[in-house]
Amino acid sequence: AQSVAQPEDQVNVAEGNPLTVKCTYSVSGNPYLFWYVQYPNRGLQFLLKYITGDNLVKGSYGFEAEFNKSQTSFHLKKPSALVSDSALYFCAVRDYNTNAGKSTFGDGTTLTVKP
Amino acid sequence: NAGVTQTPKFRVLKTGQSMTLLCAQDMNHEYMYWYRQDPGMGLRLIHYSVGEGTTAKGEVPDGYNVSRLKKQNFLLGLESAAPSQTSVYFCASSYTYTDTQYFGPGTRLTVL
Repeated sequence: AQSVAQPEDQVNVAEGNPLTVKCTYSVSGNPYLFWYVQYPNRGLQFLLKYITGDNLVKGSYGFEAEFNKSQTSFHLKKPSALVSDSALYFCAVRDYNTNAGKSTFGDGTTLTVKP
Repeated sequence: NAGVTQTPKFRVLKTGQSMTLLCAQDMNHEYMYWYRQDPGMGLRLIHYSVGEGTTAKGEVPDGYNVSRLKKQNFLLGLESAAPSQTSVYFCASSYTYTDTQYFGPGTRLTVL
């Protein structure tokens, strides 16, 4: 079985400050990891993914995430937050060893960036 | 390219009524998915398909049926709607199981 935990329902940060949105996962095999963002009344949009290779993954809009196998984490980061980054963020995991195509999503973290 | 489209965008049903949600993608993707999103519960997979003519159950399949008669379309049916099925429904597609999922804009369904 695979699972994802986003331990914070809400993250608040001031514009210009660095932000981190946390994600930990559990899979029986090797993980494929994804971050998506959802703006109000919209579908999810892809930000970045880790499949293999470099543990630091760079994605859209200046976001990056670091894969840490020992801590089973895949935290989303950005060096300098913008007000427009305010949205709902989802982490998702898929087990490499099961090709059934099923992803498990976390419950989401609401990021609020204040001016 | 339109990407992933969903119809309708909004729908209100009475308990016991039936309806079909249509998802269409023009990216030639093999994999298609139906999720429901409820407050504080993230996205939960209802059913998915790994290719034309195939379907499989996800986490919460009860009360729903699906069909994938054409590669570009994935239909989600509610045979007898219940208030517990009030939710926002998202369709997604991907080329392979390791690939990014592309999401539709969602269908907001209310069952009274």
